[in-house]
Parts: sequence; C-alpha cells; structure tokens
Amino acid sequence: NAGVTQTPKFQVLKTGQSMTLQCAQDMNHEYMSWYRQDPGMGLRLIHYSVGAGITDQGEVPNGYNVSRSTTEDFPLRLLSAAPSQTSVYFCASRPTANYGYTFGSGTRLTVV
Amino acid sequence: QQQVKQSPQSLIVQKGGISIINCAYENTAFDYFPWYQQFPGKGPALLIAIRPDVSEKKEGRFTISFNKSAKQFSLHIMDSQPGDSATYFCAASNYKLSFGAGTTVTVRA
Repeated sequence: NAGVTQTPKFQVLKTGQSMTLQCAQDMNHEYMSWYRQDPGMGLRLIHYSVGAGITDQGEVPNGYNVSRSTTEDFPLRLLSAAPSQTSVYFCASRPTANYGYTFGSGTRLTVV
Repeated sequence: QQQVKQSPQSLIVQKGGISIINCAYENTAFDYFPWYQQFPGKGPALLIAIRPDVSEKKEGRFTISFNKSAKQFSLHIMDSQPGDSATYFCAASNYKLSFGAGTTVTVRA
C-alpha cells in the first residue's frame, strides 16, 4: 500500500514549456485534489475530482488542466509554464467528502 | 479570498507549555474541520479532525475546541515538546477542502 505517489519530486522548466505532474493512489479513494503551496499562503486548491470522469476548478485553476480517466490517477498538466507557477505541488486523496486527505510527498517545481 | 482565517502566523512556546492556534470560517456549509501538521520537506499529515455536532475532541496532547455559533475552532497542544515544532494548518470542508494560511510552532527546549 503505497498511498499517494507523486512524480517527479523536483523539476525545473523554462518559461513556456509544458509538462505533466503525475499522481497515483492505491487506496481506491474517490476524491482527489491538487494543491499548490507558497510561503505564507497555505495550500490553495487548483483542481479537484469527486470520481473518475468528474473534475472541477478550485481557487487557482488558471494555467492548469486535469483529467480523471481512472480512479487511481489524477495528472496535473501545466500548459505553458510561467515563473508565477514556481511552487510546491501536492496531490491528495480521500475516500469521501468528510474524511481527511492523504497527501503525497510533493513536487517542487521551478520555472525559470 | 481565503475561506478559513488562521492566527497567529507563528508562535514560540517553552517545552511543557500550551500552544493555541485559532481559526475562523464564514461558510456555514462546512461540515468537517481537520487540522494538519507539516514538517519541512514533507506533505501535510492529518493530525485530528472534528465535525460540527461536537464541541471538543481530544487525542493525546492535541485538543480541538469548536464553537459553531461563533464559527470558530482552535487547536490546543498540551505539554508541547520539541518534536511538535512544525507548521500547523486548519482546514474546513464540504466537498472541497479549504486551508488556513498556517502557523509555524517552535517549541524551545
């Protein structure tokens, strides 16, 4: 039981490049979310999903796309990286709405 | 805007003392209130959580107090230890989970 697995752990992108942050969970959780963490701002919700085929926007969705084709996977795509997207990204999952999230170990992204 | 307001931003406490972190919310649709603990370089980990039909929940040295009418809740860390030094986040949930800005707790030996 690996929990929530995020890859890569570190990434440096040039402005304008695109990439996909991977997230997989093996707990059969319906809910999955992507957060970004910036100093002094806590964790801000980017996108979330309440089940396969269902996604919705969070607080800061601009510049990011998601899809949820399976229960296990919830990739986050950066369409055209900008320096403002430099952050630590966390993926999380939970079985239903009123349970705690299990977080992955994060991806530290730097856009230069 | 942030849906959950958390204070203080940081606090320092002596070993054996009590740490208190406060949070407030506006959305009455929230029905689950967790607290997370985060160490540097790690993801947040669920510490303790409460539902709004309960006014207090205690797990070991950690206690949540919940005031539904005031829309406020707080985390008390009793007998604080150096290993408790971390950043603590309150959060509130309906179908989305919204976080406070975090409180960095430093426990001095």
